[in-house]
Amino acid sequence: EVQLVESGGGLVQPGRSLRLSCAASGFTFDDYAMHWVRQAPGKGLEWVSGISWNSGSIGYADSVKGRFTISRDNAKNSLYLQMNSLRAEDTALYYCAKDMGMWELHFDYWGQGTLVTVSS
Amino acid sequence: QSALTQPASVSGSPGQSITISCTGTSSDVGSYNLVSWYQQHPGKAPKLMIYEVSKRPSGVSNRFSGSKSGNTASLTISGLQAEDEADYYCCSYAGSSPVVFGGGTKLTVL
Repeated sequence: EVQLVESGGGLVQPGRSLRLSCAASGFTFDDYAMHWVRQAPGKGLEWVSGISWNSGSIGYADSVKGRFTISRDNAKNSLYLQMNSLRAEDTALYYCAKDMGMWELHFDYWGQGTLVTVSS
Repeated sequence: QSALTQPASVSGSPGQSITISCTGTSSDVGSYNLVSWYQQHPGKAPKLMIYEVSKRPSGVSNRFSGSKSGNTASLTISGLQAEDEADYYCCSYAGSSPVVFGGGTKLTVL
């Protein structure tokens, strides 16, 4: 059974940093691209970032480019999101999502999310 | 990259069919057959319902179908059931950006 478990969310002040993690199991992690998708309270989905199976392709939404860094450790079956210079508008539930392939941009499994709140 | 345009809400009675539209541009929906649709029930993670415009993942009911014409993709749900009541989001590859979601559509089953 595919499982994605996010962690690392919490309350953080504007301008500070936070690192999210996603532990994956139930599939061959290094065969698939992985993504972060967020959802602000009461709002829609927003793709944040994605990374190919071998980290050769990485993409970011314009809203986080230059502030967030995605990475993965295939030996640990883990995905990460380093978030710097956080803003109030980054407040959201952050989902880890598995790609259907190496970079197909369809997300067939999702975690339950980790909540990030940026507030002073 | 602007979000894809979806109606804020649609409704239908049990047994009826409804269609949710998703309008993009020639830079996203119009140029690639990489449109997907997600269902999200309140408090739950999204679920993939359609990928590559019209393909259904294993386990998704054949009451759900997808199509595309020009810059607009559509999700059709036939034989509406109470459990179909949820939010629905379209998503498309958008080139350099490279992924854009629609704003979401709330489906109400009357």
